[in-house]
Amino acid sequence: AQSVTQPDIHITVSEGASLELRCNYSYGATPYLFWYVQSPGQGLQLLLKYFSGDTLVQGIKGFEAEFKRSQSSFNLRKPSVHWSDAAEYFCAVGTGRRALTFGSGTRLQVQP
Amino acid sequence: DADVTQTPRNRITKTGKRIMLECSQTKGHDRMYWYRQDPGLGLRLIYYSFDVKDINKGEISDGYSVSRQAQAKFSLSLESAIPNQTALYFCATSSSGAGWEPQHFGDGTRLSIL
Repeated sequence: AQSVTQPDIHITVSEGASLELRCNYSYGATPYLFWYVQSPGQGLQLLLKYFSGDTLVQGIKGFEAEFKRSQSSFNLRKPSVHWSDAAEYFCAVGTGRRALTFGSGTRLQVQP
Repeated sequence: DADVTQTPRNRITKTGKRIMLECSQTKGHDRMYWYRQDPGLGLRLIYYSFDVKDINKGEISDGYSVSRQAQAKFSLSLESAIPNQTALYFCATSSSGAGWEPQHFGDGTRLSIL
């Protein structure tokens, strides 16, 4: 069965610092991978997705993610974090049922 | 107006009550989903529907039922609510197609069962 692991429950970074959120997946077939962001009191917004092709994908709000098949990873990065990036971030893998299996999330706190 | 609308946004009710959460969408998508979110567990799939006549159980369907009244409406029912169903519930939609289409989420319904 597919699974997604986000090993960091909570991360704190300083504004302007770089960010990397980790995601590892387990899925037997070619994965469809997603990163979503959830701001307080709101639903999930899609940041970026990987289906095939270039393993470095660009998303909205200056985020990017790199797919590494050998490591079963799809880490999210941002060169310089803004205070408005404070939120919870979810990695997800798409299954054959066209539904999503989510990781448990990483809560990002940004210090001024 | 939101593309995926969930009602109510918040609900507090008592154990044993029947509750219905509603989802409507204006995106014209065929596929609709219900997830629940619990702290530290991410989102888990309850039910999903690929069209009005195609409804499928997700990984945690026990204690829940759904109804797809129209392409644009997908409701989730708790027949006899219990406290461990206290959670944040999300509806999502996606378009159909051979490939993978991203899902679009509503703002959620926060449900508390006393």
